[in-house]
Amino acid sequence: QMQLQESGPGLVKPSETLSLTCTVSGGSIRGYYWSWVRQPAGKGLEWIGRIYYSGSTTYNSSLKSRVTMSVDTSKEQFSLKLNSVTAADTAVYYCARDVWFGSEYGLDVWGQGTTVTVSS
Amino acid sequence: SYELTQPPSVSVSPGQTARITCSGDALPSKYPYWYQQQSGQAPVLVIYEEFRRPSGIPERFSGSRSGTMATLTISGAQVEDEAVYYCYSTDISGNRVFGGGTKLTVL
Repeated sequence: QMQLQESGPGLVKPSETLSLTCTVSGGSIRGYYWSWVRQPAGKGLEWIGRIYYSGSTTYNSSLKSRVTMSVDTSKEQFSLKLNSVTAADTAVYYCARDVWFGSEYGLDVWGQGTTVTVSS
Repeated sequence: SYELTQPPSVSVSPGQTARITCSGDALPSKYPYWYQQQSGQAPVLVIYEEFRRPSGIPERFSGSRSGTMATLTISGAQVEDEAVYYCYSTDISGNRVFGGGTKLTVL
């Protein structure tokens, strides 16, 4: 059964770059889209963007200027970078598989999430 | 920006039917999905493409759509169904959007 695991620093200073990696196990990263979603404490979910295993990306228009996603198929990993962070970027960050259900794409497998705090 | 609107909370007694709504202008042409998020856990997909259930999701969970509104129905809600439920869909530009979430209380 496919599993996803987020990893990265739990604390990032304001104005710096948040960097997270998601490792895929129990299946292949190839052939799928992969998304990042975040959730500030006590608030709702926000889709950040997605990347295809070949490297093509789509970002949330509200974050597009600060987001970069990449993929390393040899390591079965994909990554998120968010630059110029502020306290508003403090959240639990989830990675998820974005799968074709037959008519549209949806998120079917999620990582457990990792908490990132932006603070000096 | 595109929004999906959900009621903040719904409350039912065990065994009753819970209905959670989600409204959005693009829903007539874009499928709704529903996620369940229990406290401290990652979201879990309970309904995809309006009404389809992933394997392992109990039959009491069902979905429907009419015009700009989608509905998640939990028939005979159980205490273990207490969670926050999010609808999810796509806008006409391809951006993915979540609703604000509905806290379901079963007591």
